[in-house]
Amino acid sequence: DIVMTQSPDSLAVSLGERATINCKSSQSVLYSSNKKNFLAWYQQRPGQPPKLLLYWASTRASGVPDRFSGSGSGTDFTLTISSLQVEDVALYYCQQYYGTPSTFGQGTRLEIK
Amino acid sequence: QVQLVESGGGVAQPGGSLRLSCAASGFTFTSYGMHWVRQAPGRGLEWVAVIWYDGTYKYYGHSVKGRFTISRDNSKSTLYLEMNSLRAEDTAVYYCARGPYQYDSGSYLDYWGQGTLLTVSS
Repeated sequence: DIVMTQSPDSLAVSLGERATINCKSSQSVLYSSNKKNFLAWYQQRPGQPPKLLLYWASTRASGVPDRFSGSGSGTDFTLTISSLQVEDVALYYCQQYYGTPSTFGQGTRLEIK
Repeated sequence: QVQLVESGGGVAQPGGSLRLSCAASGFTFTSYGMHWVRQAPGRGLEWVAVIWYDGTYKYYGHSVKGRFTISRDNSKSTLYLEMNSLRAEDTAVYYCARGPYQYDSGSYLDYWGQGTLLTVSS
């Protein structure tokens, strides 16, 4: 199975500042035939189910604010929140869907400093 | 709007069985593969199973293979998870989620239900 490792485990950022979360896969999730990275990001607010933020590593899901962006390719990926808002306090997970079973990172807790 | 509503959770004994349901609405159920994902208390997400739009193909995570069965009733727009030989480590919130494709062996998950809690305890 592909192992997904996120860093850091937790992060505290001031309101309006940039937050960066990293995700590393144990093998490449880039599919050579279509040049797509099979990598998604989710946000889980307290007491809520996960919500899809990004797929194909950098495509924003419907309704997701443009302060959320994704980058990276192959085995190394980053989720960036350009200007932290109160409502962004949450757990964030990356997921690879290149291999079966699909696997998630352990999660990164984002808080306000 | 897309809605996924899970039910059937509760307390089960080790070695016991339980069936979860997920009622779907707001989209054409027969056009999408469907997934179950679970989250143990205070822990991360674990993908459990997926089923193709027509039920012909199913994939399972290692920890549940041979014990859990995913199925669907397209006439009722409902997804199921039959769980047998339950263990304490199956205790979790179980979410149903929609994949973006009909033929889905693994994908991102664009809509999630609120989840139903299963507790396995004697």
